[in-house]
Amino acid sequence: DAGVIQSPRHEVTEMGQEVTLRCKPISGHNSLFWYRQTMMRGLELLIYFNNNVPIDDSGMPEDRFSAKMPNASFSTLKIQPSEPRDSAVYFCASSFGQGIVQFFGPGTRLTVL
Amino acid sequence: SQQGEEDPQALSIQEGENATMNCSYKTSINNLQWYRQNSGRGLVHLILIRSNEREKHSGRLRVTLDTSKKSSSLLITASRAADTASYFCATDAIPFKTIFGAGTRLFVKA
Repeated sequence: DAGVIQSPRHEVTEMGQEVTLRCKPISGHNSLFWYRQTMMRGLELLIYFNNNVPIDDSGMPEDRFSAKMPNASFSTLKIQPSEPRDSAVYFCASSFGQGIVQFFGPGTRLTVL
Repeated sequence: SQQGEEDPQALSIQEGENATMNCSYKTSINNLQWYRQNSGRGLVHLILIRSNEREKHSGRLRVTLDTSKKSSSLLITASRAADTASYFCATDAIPFKTIFGAGTRLFVKA
């Protein structure tokens, strides 16, 4: 069975551009999490969904960030407009139930110039 | 602020030696987990210990939990070069909200 799939794996963009990150969770998992990892701040939880419904987006840094989960097999994280300080590795993770054990995707390394 | 704080931040050992990493946390928890992250990869779950457990084993991994001291340790026995990675403790005091520590970078020299 395939694990969590993320695309793209690498994204380089210029400040002000819109960035869309994509995630396909493991089939059967009903919880999905978006994290951001940087050297300075470590791994931060941005938002999580349960049964496709956003439960808590308090970790989303600014209104420039938005996330959707239109169905059980797909989620997006969008940054519009992007800024250099958004440069980080963004991870998607999925789990069954309350998200105690999470399965991470390979991440998307975002560089905003 | 981060719930879990790992110690040491970095550890370098010879292959065959044991590696011990520690984690301290601030609030009461339901479970504590350890994850591994290889360079350029996502985190991989290693082991979970519940708040009412004191010790747990999985292969070469041994985890202890002391809820009175709000601390946990991860022991990797007979380390291998392939164990080179960052190791994170993660706590979940609130459902869905797993909080990860800053991690310990382990380097195992062949």
